[in-house]
Amino acid sequence: EAGVAQSPRYKIIEKRQSVAFWCNPISGHATLYWYQQILGQGPKLLIQFQNNGVVDDSQLPKDRFSAERLKGVDSTLKIQPAKLEDSAVYLCASSLKQGLGLAKNIQYFGAGTRLSVL
Amino acid sequence: AQSVSQHNHHVILSEAASLELGCNYSYGGTVNLFWYVQYPGQHLQLLLKYFSGDPLVKGIKGFEAEFIKSKFSFNLRKPSVQWSDTAEYFCAVTSFSGGYNKLIFGAGTRLAVHP
Repeated sequence: EAGVAQSPRYKIIEKRQSVAFWCNPISGHATLYWYQQILGQGPKLLIQFQNNGVVDDSQLPKDRFSAERLKGVDSTLKIQPAKLEDSAVYLCASSLKQGLGLAKNIQYFGAGTRLSVL
Repeated sequence: AQSVSQHNHHVILSEAASLELGCNYSYGGTVNLFWYVQYPGQHLQLLLKYFSGDPLVKGIKGFEAEFIKSKFSFNLRKPSVQWSDTAEYFCAVTSFSGGYNKLIFGAGTRLAVHP
């Protein structure tokens, strides 16, 4: 079974530039997550999709971050403009489905994109 | 808001030593608990999970964890570590909101095992 695919693996940009990350979840997984992992911290959820709808974006800095999952499969996370504090690893994860009674679905993670903002 | 606390940020052990990594969470209701591991250069992968039933959970590679509800703890253990266990270990707990759940991670414990 193919895992969660992410690209690029590494990205270096200057502050105020824009950047985009791509994620392709495991086939058949309805739920997709984007996490931010700052050095020395655990992953923090930015946004969660169920199919192509957003179910939780409470921790997404919406003034500069955006994400979409137009066809309910792959997803793009964008930062515009980037700040120094956005330097982190951005992880994508997927699970079969979420919802009442389905909390037992396991999240599978991609390798992440390491972003350095100079 | 729910939180997860991992007591040790860095642990250094020799091969064959016993391991115990602490994890405490703040939520008092029903919880799902996880330990994820990230080997150098690899992605996060599930080590073990607790949903219900026997509070002593066995995972891959000889790891186990014990859920102690009264202590809000889910400590990870391994009787004898190997050099290949060198990795970062994350404890996580499910937070339920609006019919959906999300994982809350601890800050992680970096384990180095010396031959």
